[in-house]
Formats: sequence, C-alpha cells, structure tokens
Amino acid sequence: KAGVTQTPRYLIKTRGQQVTLSCSPISGHRSVSWYQQTPGQGLQFLFEYFSETQRNKGNFPGRFSGRQFSNSRSEMNVSTLELGDSALYLCASRIYGTGDTGELFFGEGSRLTVL
Amino acid sequence: KNQVEQSPQSLIILEGKNCTLQCNYTVSPFSNLRWYKQDTGRGPVSLTIMTFSENTKSNGRYTATLDADTKQSSLHITASQLSDSASYICVVALGGSYIPTFGRGTSLIVHP
Repeated sequence: KAGVTQTPRYLIKTRGQQVTLSCSPISGHRSVSWYQQTPGQGLQFLFEYFSETQRNKGNFPGRFSGRQFSNSRSEMNVSTLELGDSALYLCASRIYGTGDTGELFFGEGSRLTVL
Repeated sequence: KNQVEQSPQSLIILEGKNCTLQCNYTVSPFSNLRWYKQDTGRGPVSLTIMTFSENTKSNGRYTATLDADTKQSSLHITASQLSDSASYICVVALGGSYIPTFGRGTSLIVHP
C-alpha cells in the first residue's frame, strides 16, 4: 500500500510570492491534515479536511489555506510569502470513521525556503 | 492552554545503553497519547498509542508508559541501536476531534 505522497519535496520562493503544495493520502484514508514544522516552534497543526470540507483549523493567518478534492487529495496554499514561512510542511492522512484511532500517517514533507 | 512539554531536549548515549524520554501534557479533554519517531529529513512515524485506560504499551525495544492522573508519559528505549538516532515526538490528541498537540521533541543521538 502506497504511503502519503507530497510534492514537491523542495522549493525556493521569494517574499511576496505564493506557493501550492500537494498531498495524496493513503488509499482509503479520508482525512488529510497539514502541519508546519520549524526548529523554533516544532510541529504545529494548520488544518484538517474531510469530505472536501475544512473540519478543524489551527492558529495560523488567513494567508494559509487549503482544499480537498473528491478523491481525498489535498492542496495547501500560502499567499504573500514571508521569511518566517520557511519550514517543512507535512501532510498526514487518517482513516476517519470505522477503525479510526486518530493515528496520523505522515508524508515526507515539502521543504519550503523563502528568500 | 493545551501544551505538551518534553524532556530532555537532547540526549547522547552509547550503543547498547537504555534511555528514557519524558512527556508532560495539559491537553484536555484527553483522547490518546502517541509517540512518534522522526528521522532527519523524513516524516514522523508512529511508535505507540495509549488511551486513558492504558498504562503501558510496548513495540519491540520501545516501551511507553502513561500516568493519566499526573498527565505524564515516558518512552523507554532498551538496548539502543545506531538507527535509534532520531527525534522522538510526544503527541496528545484532543478528545472528540483528535486535533493533535505536539511536543518539541527529544533529539536522541546514539554513538557507537
């Protein structure tokens, strides 16, 4: 069974630009959540999607947004990039529903550098 | 405020030795507590999960304990191996929504 796939793995942007990251969950998993990981703050929850609807949201500004498609694939977008947005962005999927223990299955992440 | 605190921040041990990592939390309502292992440049991988009623859970050389009364957990690694070098992250899930709160992690280095 394929794991969670994130693209791109690495990208470099400049301040003011926007970026879109993609995540394909494990087959059969219906929830996708996004996280920001930095050395200073550790892992922080951005938002979670299920059935193409945002179910939960962390404490991040509106520049961070996401969406989920009917096949459960998800994208997140960061607009008007700031230097502080440089981070590893992780996507995780979980079953959601029968058999769900809340276990998160993470992808390898997208490393964003903002210059 | 829901928080998860881990200690120590970093740890260096010799191969073959045991070690214990600590996690204290204030997340409420509590659903479950997980320990994840994150290798450098990789995504975190779940090691153990414990719910409110569980005190101990083992996964090979990894043994996690939970004291729900004091809101403390520990991860004990037995007979460490070089491949145990990684960051170990304690994650507490909020009851009802499973929204996770993460600790900052303990960076473990195992030397030969």
